Amino acid sequence: LAKTTQPVSMDSYEGQEVNITCSHNNIATNDYITWYQQFPSQGPRFIIQGYKTKVTNEVASLFIPADRKSSTLSLPRVSLSDTAVYYCLVGDSWGKLQFGAGTQVVVTP
Amino acid sequence: DTGVSQDPRHKITKRGQNVTFRCDPISEHNRLYWYRQTLGQGPEFLTYFQNEAQLEKSRLLSNRFSAERPKGSFSTLEIQRTEQGDSAMYLCASSQPGTGAGNTIYFGEGSWLTVV
Repeated sequence: LAKTTQPVSMDSYEGQEVNITCSHNNIATNDYITWYQQFPSQGPRFIIQGYKTKVTNEVASLFIPADRKSSTLSLPRVSLSDTAVYYCLVGDSWGKLQFGAGTQVVVTP
Repeated sequence: DTGVSQDPRHKITKRGQNVTFRCDPISEHNRLYWYRQTLGQGPEFLTYFQNEAQLEKSRLLSNRFSAERPKGSFSTLEIQRTEQGDSAMYLCASSQPGTGAGNTIYFGEGSWLTVV
């Protein structure tokens, strides 16, 4: 399973855009990139998944460069409720997902 | 609610007692996972099932832990002779892999275990 590296923490103000970059240098051809959000005392919640280029949904955007060795989760105009831990994972269509320590995002007024 | 359901949400037990957690996955999902999470750490994989078959177990799953999924639907995770180090949140998740995209795993809200 490809190992991922992401910042331990990020701080932001309400209304700003937050970009979290994840490195996955050993990503395999069949691997997808998936991001989860987790609030305290709750299970992780799926945010977005992509294979290459850009994916956007109602919550976030995911940017993946051509070499796929990194990816950036973009959260537009964050609010206080976006304070959470964000996990970047890579895996194929069949494998289990291995979580790292994630990135603690703190949004302040 | 058609998400992953876990029961109980919280359990306090004395050291040495046995505890059992139940998980009901999303109905059409044939794969079911158990993870464990301690404070400040990401979820750690424990085991997973494809239908009723247990396909992989982590080294974290000592012989005091046993998981079953008898009919390929709900699953139970039993911890025998609990120790204080077992205190954690136990997460269940399910997925329907091989649908042409990445394996998207959907988690329940977790079952908190406190061993006193």
